[in-house]
Amino acid sequence: QLQLQESGPGLVKPSETLSLTCTVSGGSISSISYYWGWIRQAPGKGLEWIGSIYYSGTTYYNPSLKSRVTISGDTSKNQFSLKLTSVTAADTAVYYCSRGSTVTTGLCAFDIWGQGTMVTVSP
Amino acid sequence: QSALTQPPSASGSPGQSVTISCTGTSSDVGDYDYVSWYQQHPGKAPKLMIYEVNKRPSGVPDRFSGSKSGNTASLTVSGLQAEDEADYYCSSYAGSNNWGVFGGGTKLTVL
Repeated sequence: QLQLQESGPGLVKPSETLSLTCTVSGGSISSISYYWGWIRQAPGKGLEWIGSIYYSGTTYYNPSLKSRVTISGDTSKNQFSLKLTSVTAADTAVYYCSRGSTVTTGLCAFDIWGQGTMVTVSP
Repeated sequence: QSALTQPPSASGSPGQSVTISCTGTSSDVGDYDYVSWYQQHPGKAPKLMIYEVNKRPSGVPDRFSGSKSGNTASLTVSGLQAEDEADYYCSSYAGSNNWGVFGGGTKLTVL
């Protein structure tokens, strides 16, 4: 049973960089056909796709966040990470990592999610 | 990249059917059969209910069905049950430049 777990600081100061890691257990991030994503949800708001990384390392980012976002994978640790620079209060949200499969769920459909981690941007 | 448009709320009585719409553009919903739907209960992670417009992951009741016409996708919940009360989000693939986009969400209330 594949499981995802987000980790990282729960509090980040404005203008600094938000860094989160998603640890994958029960499966490999380099398995062909998988893609991995970061999605966030501001308090009381809807879901916002941040970006995705394929098993090959190819990345795609939300155009509205592209200039501040980097998603990378570490196959040796079976983890993938999110870095969001120059954060403001508007980046306060629950951040989820997730998995999809081009074979079983098609594009942009995440069938396995982490529990989410709350990140607050505050001085 | 604009979010997909969903009605903020929908409701129905137990046993009834309710349909939630999701309107996009010819660059996302209208151009690809990669529309998905998620259910989210308060404080929980989203759960994939529909993928590729009308396919259900294993374990999702067949009371949940999806469809698409032009730039608008729809989720229908038949035989409403109390546990169906939740927020529902649609999502669509939007091509290699934009990749993914979500709708604003619809709060489904079971009366």
